[in-house]
Amino acid sequence: GAVVSQHPSRVICKSGTSVKIECRSLDFQATTMFWYRQFPKQSLMLMATSNEGSKATYEQGVEKDKFLINHASLTLSTLTVTSAHPEDSSFYICSAIPGALYGYTFGSGTRLTVV
Amino acid sequence: AQTVTQSQPEMSVQEAETVTLSCTYDTSESDYYLFWYKQPPSRQMILVIRQEAYKQQNATENRFSVNFQKAAKSFSLKISDSQLGDAAMYFCAYQGGGATNKLIFGTGTLLAVQP
Repeated sequence: GAVVSQHPSRVICKSGTSVKIECRSLDFQATTMFWYRQFPKQSLMLMATSNEGSKATYEQGVEKDKFLINHASLTLSTLTVTSAHPEDSSFYICSAIPGALYGYTFGSGTRLTVV
Repeated sequence: AQTVTQSQPEMSVQEAETVTLSCTYDTSESDYYLFWYKQPPSRQMILVIRQEAYKQQNATENRFSVNFQKAAKSFSLKISDSQLGDAAMYFCAYQGGGATNKLIFGTGTLLAVQP
């Protein structure tokens, strides 16, 4: 089946540093990937849509300079949280669509803690 | 804009019994997809069931079935013969008709299964 691999699963960083999260489609090509943020006991909030070879589309209220998205190949999208602060601590999840007959496939998520 | 509403923050069911989770949505589109996703404590998002709006027949996947009422914009999930492993957060989600349209989630229903 279609698999989306996300790394790291957990990361702790110091305030002011940057953290990169990777999302890979392992057995299919993904021209579009999605990045979500999830706070404890809440739903998934779409942050941005990542498009291979072009700029990402950010949802309203999401700072594009803080959450840098790069989709340089058909199998890899990265989310970089720049100058992280404690309020950026959250669970980040990526997803992609393997094909028209499939639902979205999700990565296993990254728990980011900024101290 | 499309919205998805889950009015039951928490539900509980006895093992082997049946439970129904509610979901309503609002859209002006005629072509769209609806999903139920399960998020266990591991936080991995798992596709439970998918429904195409143009199909009148309700989708079923083993013990999981939906009651899709297009005119009422209702999309409930029925879990039969509930098992302990069904305990999780369940999210109803909407996707517009385009192949790469973003997924819009409801607020979720936390399902507890009592032994």
